[in-house]
This record gives sequence, structure tokens and C-alpha cells, in this order.
Amino acid sequence: DTGVSQDPRHKITKRGQNVTFRCDPISEHNRLYWYRQTLGQGPEFLTYFQNEAQLEKSRLLSDRFSAERPKGSFSTLEIQRTEQGDSAMYLCASSEGGTGRNTEAFFGQGTRLTVV
Amino acid sequence: GNSVTQMEGPVTLSEEAFLTINCTYTATGYPSLFWYVQYPGEGLQLLLKATKADDKGSNKGFEATYRKETTSFHLEKGSVQVSDSAVYFCALSYYGNNRLAFGKGNQVVVIP
Repeated sequence: DTGVSQDPRHKITKRGQNVTFRCDPISEHNRLYWYRQTLGQGPEFLTYFQNEAQLEKSRLLSDRFSAERPKGSFSTLEIQRTEQGDSAMYLCASSEGGTGRNTEAFFGQGTRLTVV
Repeated sequence: GNSVTQMEGPVTLSEEAFLTINCTYTATGYPSLFWYVQYPGEGLQLLLKATKADDKGSNKGFEATYRKETTSFHLEKGSVQVSDSAVYFCALSYYGNNRLAFGKGNQVVVIP
């Protein structure tokens, strides 16, 4: 297993366009998380899935954002009508599904979005 | 709400110097605490963690102790190397969904 992979690594888009990112988690991991990281800040939680169910969404996730995990494996994050403020690094992480305190999240390398 | 505060600004130090990065948290209940590291061009990696008060996490010569009385989880290393140059993030999570709340991060630059 090569860990969490994200595609694409970089995306430049014009304001108003739609973009979609993909995340492939570690295969045996039930939980999948999306975070957003802007320059000089730490990652901020966006949403998470337990298998195919989206269990929590942050207030940061406006109506223009939608995430899916249709078969409980890979996930997509779509941003509609992109704005310059959406420019950021979008990080995906996965973890085992247990509720124990030792459950570790593994991160992908992220997708860097630039809206021009 | 739950939050993590890291000391301001980058940290520049010479090889073999002592490193401390301060981290304090605000939370209800008893979170787990983490330090993540991001090396240039790579994803976030877990460096160490502690899940209850007075626990000490350690890895690669780095240490941090979960101090409930001061709500702190300061990161220390006795003798840094150039290869330790990276961005370090303090984070907390809660029993249950394990989602993380991160601090702003500290850029550490180690000069030979």
C-alpha cells in the first residue's frame, strides 16, 4: 500500500469554473477526512466520512462544496463556481474506524488549488 | 471551542542546538494531543502523540509531555540536525471521530 494518494497535485482554474479532486485512502481505512490549508495556517477540518456516510461537515464547507465517497473507498471533493478565496491546499487523510485514542490519521500530499 | 495555539514566527537555529516549540490548547474534556511534521514537498506525518495527562510522546529524538495543569504540549529536541528543518504542527483530537484541530505551525530552519 502506497499510503493516501491525491489527484491532481496541482490545479489552476479560472474563477467561476468547477473543479473536482480525488482522494484514495489506505485500503483498509474506514474513515476519510478532508482538510483545507491556506498559506501560513494549519489545516482546517472540512468534512469526514465513515465508510460511505458523510458524518460531519464544517461550517467552512459552503454550499458550493460537495464531497462524496460513493462506495466507501475513494472520495471526491467538488468546488462549484470557484472563487479566489478557494485557493488553498486541500488535504485528505484516512484512519481506521475505531474510536480508540490511538487511531492515527495518515495524510496525502494534498492538491494545491490556485484560482485566477 | 477546541483550539491549539503555537508560538508565533519561524524558528532558526544552529545544528546541535536545543529546540523548543510551545503549544497550548483550549478544550473541554480530555483530548489526545499530537505533533505533526511536514518536510519540504511531502505530506503531513505524525511525529508523536500522547493520549492522557502526564503521558510523554517521543520519536526521532523529539519529546513532548501532556501537561493538563498548564494545558500544554511543548515539543523539544536536545540536538537538532539540518534534516529536522520542516514545519511542525501541534494538534488535538477527541475520542470518537478523531478529527484534528491544528495550530498554525512553526517553520524550523536548522543551519549547518
